[in-house]
Amino acid sequence: SQQGEEDPQALSIQEGENATMNCSYKTSINNLQWYRQNSGRGLVHLILIRSNEREKHSGRLRVTLDTSKKSSSLLITASRAADTASYFCATDQTGANNLFFGTGTRLTVIP
Amino acid sequence: EAQVTQNPRYLITVTGKKLTVTCSQNMNHEYMSWYRQDPGLGLRQIYYSMNVEVTDKGDVPEGYKVSRKEKRNFPLILESPSPNQTSLYFCASSSWTAYTGELFFGEGSRLTVL
Repeated sequence: SQQGEEDPQALSIQEGENATMNCSYKTSINNLQWYRQNSGRGLVHLILIRSNEREKHSGRLRVTLDTSKKSSSLLITASRAADTASYFCATDQTGANNLFFGTGTRLTVIP
Repeated sequence: EAQVTQNPRYLITVTGKKLTVTCSQNMNHEYMSWYRQDPGLGLRQIYYSMNVEVTDKGDVPEGYKVSRKEKRNFPLILESPSPNQTSLYFCASSSWTAYTGELFFGEGSRLTVL
């Protein structure tokens, strides 16, 4: 499979805590993206990190990329109940014409 | 408002009855794609299109057809639906030539095949 894998599959934290999700993949990539999905809704793009970047920030989001380990992490700081959703990584793999999505991490933020 | 619109949002049908799920985007995107989402399997690509009249298979194309006669529309056709095609379907588009890499998704179409 060319899909990435997120870890953990599910995460439950208290409001105000930080949430960290990890993504591993298997092939060379041009970029890696993170998406959010509220229950049963369409996915929404959060952030893109290119293969030559190591870290990127957007508001309360911090993404890191380690191409030597073929892994990425998404950190959400100071979580809110509204952050409750599923989070997916997607890899733009070298030579491919599409994104390959992982199976997602289900985040629950308890008020 | 920039958006990807799918119809129908919900559909219950019976085995063998042909159906079409429409997808339209108003962002002049070259690239469009269909995914299905199943529990534990994530999103899997069915078909994609790089531009008008250019389509190609994704990971799970069996049982599906697509066409891209106009830039804005990319319908998904199930000629003879079967129960294993019960799923949540998403259409997505992107500006491939500009290549920001970001996919814009529709709200999904939940299909049940009895």
